[in-house]
Order: sequence, then structure tokens, then C-alpha cells
Amino acid sequence: GAVVSQHPSRVICKSGTSVKIECRSLDFQATTMFWYRQFPKQSLMLMATSNEGSKATYEQGVEKDKFLINHASLTLSTLTVTSAHPEDSSFYICSARATGQGIDEQFFGPGTRLTVL
Amino acid sequence: QKEVEQNSGPLSVPEGAIASLNCTYSDRGSQSFFWYRQYSGKSPELIMFIYSNGDKEDGRFTAQLNKASQYVSLLIRDSQPSDSATYLCAVRGGGYQKVTFGTGTKLQVIP
Repeated sequence: GAVVSQHPSRVICKSGTSVKIECRSLDFQATTMFWYRQFPKQSLMLMATSNEGSKATYEQGVEKDKFLINHASLTLSTLTVTSAHPEDSSFYICSARATGQGIDEQFFGPGTRLTVL
Repeated sequence: QKEVEQNSGPLSVPEGAIASLNCTYSDRGSQSFFWYRQYSGKSPELIMFIYSNGDKEDGRFTAQLNKASQYVSLLIRDSQPSDSATYLCAVRGGGYQKVTFGTGTKLQVIP
């Protein structure tokens, strides 16, 4: 399957600081990437859909000014958690949509575990 | 009603048995169906996708789709302890890209 990377894999920060998470599709171009959040023992919750060259589409209840998404190229999307607070501590996972030759699938990055102290 | 429903489990099966995981969905217009495996603390990994009614086999895995009943299942033959994980059912609606995930079924394969 296609490979998606995320960086960093783990980050611990102080309350009030901003954290940037990168998501890269390594062997394919992804016009669409997705950002999910997963709290312990819960399923993935879609936060936003990131389209290359345009503004992200946020799900209801997700603050666009707090979770800044930039999809500047076909292989890179970034999520910045601004002024992070302890309740933002979670597992953040990106996925990239791979299309072509009869397929239309999402491949996930390894995730970034954010801990806000 | 949740959009994608799964029994949370845990589902326990002995090693070598067949594990059967089930999922129902509410959107009749759904077009694409996926099964992901997620180990604790790790990101989901795509196992199978199915687009048409019927069965699709890949190694020890078989996905079954019945659009009339809005039901999709995953069978794992010759279950191994390494199959122990949470299995997420995911459904994508027609015309768009958004994928909705179920809450997952935890599978335990007992040696």
C-alpha cells in the first residue's frame, strides 16, 4: 500500500504553546488529506478535510482558528494546534487519499501523540 | 442512530478458528466500504476494501457486502494471536470523500 508519514510521532508541550504536525504522502500525490483525532478507547473522529491549494473543510464543532491546516503541496499537509491546552491531548492521525487505476482509498500515517502539560 | 455501527466486543476466538466481524451502516447511498485493523497505540492499517455486493477474498480475509441489508462483514480464517486488535469498519458515501468510521470491534485470539 501507499506510504504516509507523520512527524513528530510524539510531542509533549506546555499549555499555551503551538504545535505543528506534518503529514506527507511519500510515494503518491494526494490532493486530499484528512486529519483525525482519537481519544483513548474511542474511534477516529474526523476533524477536517484538507484539499491542496484551497481552504480546509472543518467538521462541526472543530475550531478552525485553533486547528490550522495548510495543504501547500500534493504531498504535504500540516496541522497546527494553536495555544494548546491539556484537553487537546490526543492521538492525531492524518490520512491521504490515493486515487487512480480503479482505486480510491485512504492510507493513514502512523499518528502523532500530543500531550499538553 | 449511529452512521456506522459495530459491536465493541471483545470477540474472543480460539487460534485457528474463524473470526466474524460485523458492521451495519445507515446511509443507503454509501458506495465504498473498508476494514482497518488498529493495534493499541498505533494508527489504523487498511486490510480490505469492497465496493460491490458479494464476497471479496484476500488471503485469510474475506469481506462480505450486502447493500440491501446495509451490512458489511469481515471473516478472518485460521485466526492467529497476531490478529488480536481492534477492527474498524469504515464507510464512504456516494459522491464524496468523507469516510465515517465505526467505533471498532476488539478481537482477541486465544492461543
